[in-house]
Amino acid sequence: NAGVTQTPKFRILKIGQSMTLQCTQDMNHNYMYWYRQDPGMGLKLIYYSVGAGITDKGEVPNGYNVSRSTTEDFPLRLELAAPSQTSVYFCASSYDPGNTEAFFGQGTRLTVV
Amino acid sequence: GQNIDQPTEMTATEGAIVQINCTYQTSGFNGLFWYQQHAGEAPTFLSYNVLDGLEEKGRFSSFLSRSKGYSYLLLKELQMKDSASYLCAVHDTPLVFGKGTRLSVIA
Repeated sequence: NAGVTQTPKFRILKIGQSMTLQCTQDMNHNYMYWYRQDPGMGLKLIYYSVGAGITDKGEVPNGYNVSRSTTEDFPLRLELAAPSQTSVYFCASSYDPGNTEAFFGQGTRLTVV
Repeated sequence: GQNIDQPTEMTATEGAIVQINCTYQTSGFNGLFWYQQHAGEAPTFLSYNVLDGLEEKGRFSSFLSRSKGYSYLLLKELQMKDSASYLCAVHDTPLVFGKGTRLSVIA
């Protein structure tokens, strides 16, 4: 039972490079989320999706893009990486967030130098 | 807008009881969650409240008052392994988190 799988676990990017953080879940969940967590801080929502083909911005969407072509996958794209995007990124999913918990991937630790 | 507040840090003694408070102001409300996060790890689910009152689950209990926009997480018989951050989250489509409370359990 894989749950929520994120890749890669670690990545170092140079300023201006681009990359895609992968997230996939095998629980047939409708809702998927991307959060970032800076050291000693809480989770800030970047983007979320309530189902395939539907995405919406969270609190800190600038510099990121997402797509949701299937129920299982919710990749996060970073274009023109900046040092301010150095953070730990968590993907999460839930079936119905009104009464079921969200499950988290193990996180991607990204450093932009 | 959405605003979720919790204390930044707390310290408690092994074997004691600690209460972590959370206040929230959101445009909608579909439930309040508490998560535990150990350093370097992903958050894991602890409890969920959607109706007013107390939910008990072993050493952990969570309380909700919707009229006051208030919740607390109660941890009993503290153990060293309870040293972690505790995150309050409100589902308002989407799921929004507070900044977390870092709890240190000392001997």
